[in-house]
Amino acid sequence: EDKVVQSPLSLVVHEGDTVTLNCSYEVTNFRSLLWYKQEKKAPTFLFMLTSSGIEKKSGRLSSILDKKELFSILNITATQTGDSAVYLCALGENNAGNMLTFGGGTRLMVKP
Amino acid sequence: DTAVSQTPKYLVTQMGNDKSIKCEQNLGHDTMYWYKQDSKKFLKIMFSYNNKELIINETVPNRFSPKSPDKAHLNLHINSLELGDSAVYFCASSQRQVGSGSVRTDTQYFGPGTRLTVL
Repeated sequence: EDKVVQSPLSLVVHEGDTVTLNCSYEVTNFRSLLWYKQEKKAPTFLFMLTSSGIEKKSGRLSSILDKKELFSILNITATQTGDSAVYLCALGENNAGNMLTFGGGTRLMVKP
Repeated sequence: DTAVSQTPKYLVTQMGNDKSIKCEQNLGHDTMYWYKQDSKKFLKIMFSYNNKELIINETVPNRFSPKSPDKAHLNLHINSLELGDSAVYFCASSQRQVGSGSVRTDTQYFGPGTRLTVL
């Protein structure tokens, strides 16, 4: 009963490439979808999306949500070796406790 | 000026022991969480806690119990440790707003993690 499914599981690219990471979800009472980057330790927050079609952007990273088709994508342009990490997608529902449900992550490796 | 901190960073112990992991946040948040990340890197929620309510993920064994001495701290106590408890445990916090549908509550800030190894 995976609620949040990320693809691909892993990805190897070269510096300068553009990558698109996918996150699809199932939810009864959607509130938000979040993206996190996890390098060696704690996941660090990237984006929170609540509305369809509105792109969130931060430098070379951008993300968009499609609430009708139940997915989100995270784009990284002009990748750098420092982008190598696991990218986690998480679902926030209108439930008790504000708990997030995480996907299994996409492991991105950017080679020089 | 660490936002969410955990101690210890590493914990190695024998099966059957009881151990605690401490978490503190200085963000003024009112909701704290514990997550378990297993060897496959899957991050799973264990508990959500604020002043008024403790929400427990039903899959968490009752050997695990969160204890909160105050709003800034949420410790994780584990009884009778088992081999399968080996994982990285992350604490997180967020600010829950009063009222309906506030999206700020979902941005959770994570601590550095505690790597627990049960031998």
